[in-house]
Amino acid sequence: NAGVMQNPRHLVRRRGQEARLRCSPMKGHSHVYWYRQLPEEGLKFMVYLQKENIIDESGMPKERFSAEFPKEGPSILRIQQVVRGDSAAYFCASSLQVSEKLFFGSGTQLSVL
Amino acid sequence: GQQVMQIPQYQHVQEGEDFTTYCNSSTTLSNIQWYKQRPGGHPVFLIQLVKSGEVKKQKRLTFQFGEAKKNSSLHITATQTTDVGTYFCAGELTGANSKLTFGKGITLSVRP
Repeated sequence: NAGVMQNPRHLVRRRGQEARLRCSPMKGHSHVYWYRQLPEEGLKFMVYLQKENIIDESGMPKERFSAEFPKEGPSILRIQQVVRGDSAAYFCASSLQVSEKLFFGSGTQLSVL
Repeated sequence: GQQVMQIPQYQHVQEGEDFTTYCNSSTTLSNIQWYKQRPGGHPVFLIQLVKSGEVKKQKRLTFQFGEAKKNSSLHITATQTTDVGTYFCAGELTGANSKLTFGKGITLSVRP
């Protein structure tokens, strides 16, 4: 029973490029969350999705960032025209039911040159 | 907005000593969860507390939810080097749509 799978583990982009981060939740989980973590900082909530629907995107910048969780396939966090300040670890988590424990993936470390 | 606070951010203990850390929310929580993240790793779920005053134990770890459901504590008895890591509390606001707000975490180091 595979856990939450995130890829790539490391992503290097130059300023202005696009970054696509992928997350496959645990089997049977339909609730997906994206968090961002900076060094020595906590996990900052970005977006909560439930199969094809964005439930809460209050933590996601309105410009350049978007997320989706299609009926088939992984959840995607997309960052357009990346800037140096986007460099961080991005964690995806999934849960079986609302308000249950989160299972985290290993994260994607995004570095913007 | 809702804040979940963990102070201090770092604590160093001698192996064998007890360790206690606290988590405080500015608003009432429907539940609180604790996670542990090892250096270079990802957060791993430890426990969820739902009821006012609830106490749960996991071997040497004791978790408590405050009576007002606005704070929580984690106590580790006789720390070991395997306890090293960052401990995050995460609260879900009452009535919120399942969004967990994480504290900044406390990084525990244990001197052997």
